Amino acid sequence: EPEVTQTPSHQVTQMGQEVILRCVPISNHLYFYWYRQILGQKVEFLVSFYNNEISEKSEIFDDQFSVERPDGSNFTLKIRSTKLEDSAMYFCASSRDNYEQYFGPGTRLTVT
Amino acid sequence: GIQVEQSPPDLILQEGANSTLRCNFSDSVNNLQWFHQNPWGQLINLFYIPSGTKQNGRLSATTVATERYSLLYISSSQTTDSGVYFCAVEGSYNTDKLIFGTGTRLQVFP
Repeated sequence: EPEVTQTPSHQVTQMGQEVILRCVPISNHLYFYWYRQILGQKVEFLVSFYNNEISEKSEIFDDQFSVERPDGSNFTLKIRSTKLEDSAMYFCASSRDNYEQYFGPGTRLTVT
Repeated sequence: GIQVEQSPPDLILQEGANSTLRCNFSDSVNNLQWFHQNPWGQLINLFYIPSGTKQNGRLSATTVATERYSLLYISSSQTTDSGVYFCAVEGSYNTDKLIFGTGTRLQVFP
């Protein structure tokens, strides 16, 4: 069964550094999403992406964040200058028809 | 925005017991999904169920969209069912984001 994959599984970075989180959505899916979950809290929406542009973003998704689909398979989330409060689990998701969303295993980002 | 509330927040069961988890939402929705977050943090899709009833093995779910709630039933619980169960909804009004509830933490003991 096709799956969403994410790399790396765990990333440790220093405050102020840039990180890129990578995702490979399910191959015939057209809608892509990033969510995050701060430890012990609920999952929060960051951004959705369709047809090579952002379709919706949350208040969390400020100028520090960007997304890109650099080729036909990858979907990336870049955090330009990380802060301690960016430490969280980041989930990528994809959907074929903008209904059921399938989630990847997550990247645990630790900012020190 | 839509509010999603789950109950109970915590549930402790002995292996073999049955349980019902509830999700209430405050407005009409296009999409409702149930997830299981395992101890490694992975979100596992359980059901896509904007309305009606579905069953998958020992799990089943029912959504009554007109009354704005969904129920997840776990029968004959096993220790591997432990983790956090999330309900997530997508609103009807020009949005494609999922809004998650705060979850039900389930612990199943042998």
